[in-house]
Amino acid sequence: EPEVTQTPSHQVTQMGQEVILRCVPISNHLYFYWYRQILGQKVEFLVSFYNNEISEKSEIFDDQFSVERPDGSNFTLKIRSTKLEDSAMYFCASSERAYGYTFGSGTRLTVV
Amino acid sequence: GDSVTQMEGPVTLSEEAFLTINCTYTATGYPSLFWYVQYPGEGLQLLLKATKADDKGSNKGFEATYRKETTSFHLEKGSVQVSDSAVYFCALSNSGAGSYQLTFGKGTKLSVIP
Repeated sequence: EPEVTQTPSHQVTQMGQEVILRCVPISNHLYFYWYRQILGQKVEFLVSFYNNEISEKSEIFDDQFSVERPDGSNFTLKIRSTKLEDSAMYFCASSERAYGYTFGSGTRLTVV
Repeated sequence: GDSVTQMEGPVTLSEEAFLTINCTYTATGYPSLFWYVQYPGEGLQLLLKATKADDKGSNKGFEATYRKETTSFHLEKGSVQVSDSAVYFCALSNSGAGSYQLTFGKGTKLSVIP
């Protein structure tokens, strides 16, 4: 069964550093998403991406965040200057239509 | 805005016990409702869904009915197994409001003991 692949599974970074989280969506999917889950809290929507542009974003997704689909297969989330409160599990998802998400296993980001 | 409230966990049950995890929602219009499951070390997997009032979603022995009058989507299973131990998330999507993002509840951790 097709999968959404996320790398790395766990990343530790120092506060203030830039970090890039990588995702390989399912190949024929057109919609891409990032969600995050701070430990013990809800899974929260960050951003959706369709047709090479952001289609929706939450208030969490401020100027410190950006997304990119650099080569037609990868979908990345960049955090420019990480803060302690960015520590969370980040989930990538993709879908063929607007519904029917497939989620990746997540990247646990720890900011120290 | 839209929101989902689900019962706090953790929930611990013996094998073959009956499971109910309560979920209620607040949303404008007619959202679609989902249950996702997260097994240890894995991503979120869609367990079942319902897209309109009175629809019943079912999968792997789990069921949930979309109740608009009570704004609820409670998850049930008649006889749980150890392999059902996971975190369960209730979620909604409100395309009627022009959004396909998922709004999640906090998750309920289920542990089933032999």
